[in-house]
Amino acid sequence: DSGVTQTPKHLITATGQRVTLRCSPRSGDLSVYWYQQSLDQGLQFLIQYYNGEERAKGNILERFSAQQFPDLHSELNLSSLELGDSALYFCASSPGGDRAYEQYFGPGTRLTVT
Amino acid sequence: QQPVQSPQAVILREGEDAVINCSSSKALYSVHWYRQKHGEAPVFLMILLKGGEQKGHEKISASFNEKKQQSSLYLTASQLSYSGTYFCGPNAGGTSYGKLTFGQGTILTVHP
Repeated sequence: DSGVTQTPKHLITATGQRVTLRCSPRSGDLSVYWYQQSLDQGLQFLIQYYNGEERAKGNILERFSAQQFPDLHSELNLSSLELGDSALYFCASSPGGDRAYEQYFGPGTRLTVT
Repeated sequence: QQPVQSPQAVILREGEDAVINCSSSKALYSVHWYRQKHGEAPVFLMILLKGGEQKGHEKISASFNEKKQQSSLYLTASQLSYSGTYFCGPNAGGTSYGKLTFGQGTILTVHP
C-alpha cells in the first residue's frame, strides 16, 4: 500500500459523458501526478500539480482538466468521453526536498467508456 | 518523445541475469526506473542523476550514460519476485522535472 488513495476503483460510463476521478496523496506529499495507462499508448504522463499549482503538463487532452485543492487532494475531470478514453488512470504523489523524484502510485481507477 | 526500451520481453530462470536498456532522443537530467506487477500500480525502483548519483530502494544496479542518453538496468541473480514490467522514465530536468515520459516497458518473466 503506497498511501495514495484513488476513487472510484472502477467506472463505467457512456460516450459523451463526464466523470471525475479523485486522488488523495500520501500524508505530507505536495506533488500530485496523473497518468493514463492503455494497452496501445503505455503509461502516459498527463499533468503534475505542486501545492495547488500546475507544475508540468504532458499529453493531456483539452477535454481533460485537473486541479489540486487546498487540502492537497486532486481531481481529474474527463468530459465528452470517447471510447478511446477507456484506460487505467493512475495518480501518484511525491515528497518534497531531496526525495521529490520518488513517485508513489495509487491503485488506479479503471475507466470503461461504452 | 517516448524513450525506446529493449528488449520488449525477456524470460529467465531463477538465478539468471538480465539487462534492460533505455534510450532517449533528448538530453537527460535523470532516468527513473519503475516496476509494475500485473494488476498493480508501478513501484519506484531507482533514479540515476546526471553526474553519477543513484538513489533507490532495492538491490538493483543501473548505469546512466549521459552522452549517449542511455540507461541500463541490471538484474542479477533474478528471483521470482522480479517478474513484472519495467519502465524507464527519462527526465529533462528544469521546469519539467516532474514530467516522466515512460517507455513502452520491458516484460520480465522469471520461472522457477
